Amino acid sequence: ETGVTQSPTHLIKTRGQQVTLRCSSQSGHNTVSWYQQALGQGPQFIFQYYREEENGRGNFPPRFSGLQFPNYSSELNVNALELDDSALYLCASSLTIAGGLGETQYFGPGTRLLVL
Amino acid sequence: AQKVTQAQTEISVVEKEDVTLDCVYETRDTTYYLFWYKQPPSGELVFLIRRNSFDEQNEISGRYSWNFQKSTSSFNFTITASQVVDSAVYFCALSEARDAGNMLTFGGGTRLMVKP
Repeated sequence: ETGVTQSPTHLIKTRGQQVTLRCSSQSGHNTVSWYQQALGQGPQFIFQYYREEENGRGNFPPRFSGLQFPNYSSELNVNALELDDSALYLCASSLTIAGGLGETQYFGPGTRLLVL
Repeated sequence: AQKVTQAQTEISVVEKEDVTLDCVYETRDTTYYLFWYKQPPSGELVFLIRRNSFDEQNEISGRYSWNFQKSTSSFNFTITASQVVDSAVYFCALSEARDAGNMLTFGGGTRLMVKP
């Protein structure tokens, strides 16, 4: 196990609702990345948080937002849910060192979101 | 253009057979990182290997080996003497120096089924 935890494990919402997913990073890690994995596809990068600020964003609309807290845990918020938001949401933690690149990301078990 | 291509969507082998999973990537960066992850049915992505673009040495870890060839932009993964526990979806991923947040770009994955 990586030590990265996510909650909840499963979630069912209806279209138009809002959802918050949570992630606790591995001990010693300071960076959290979020990915969306649709059924049968590879994960897609949503965004990354480092030092409590967004440190990169993929091709996702603004209704996908996040937070990182001083203890390095993170939240992913999705507003105005759409049917296509149904997916496995994966959180990954890593240790960013100033000037470092390509640090290994360690993933949590994911949250399965179903939007009806 | 897809940056990471895993042309084999599904492979089925019998236990103890050797199997190679192909990964072809595309980048204009001279500094980049390549990864392999395993995703068992539980959903959690398990880190297997990280390789930077300046290290073309092949690597062996137990039954696993990786062949990195910059000339063909490939980073292939071989499992020797496959076992039923190797059944999973395997993802190849790329992290480029130009990408903010050290985002991982994943291929579509290869589903490996090892039959007893």
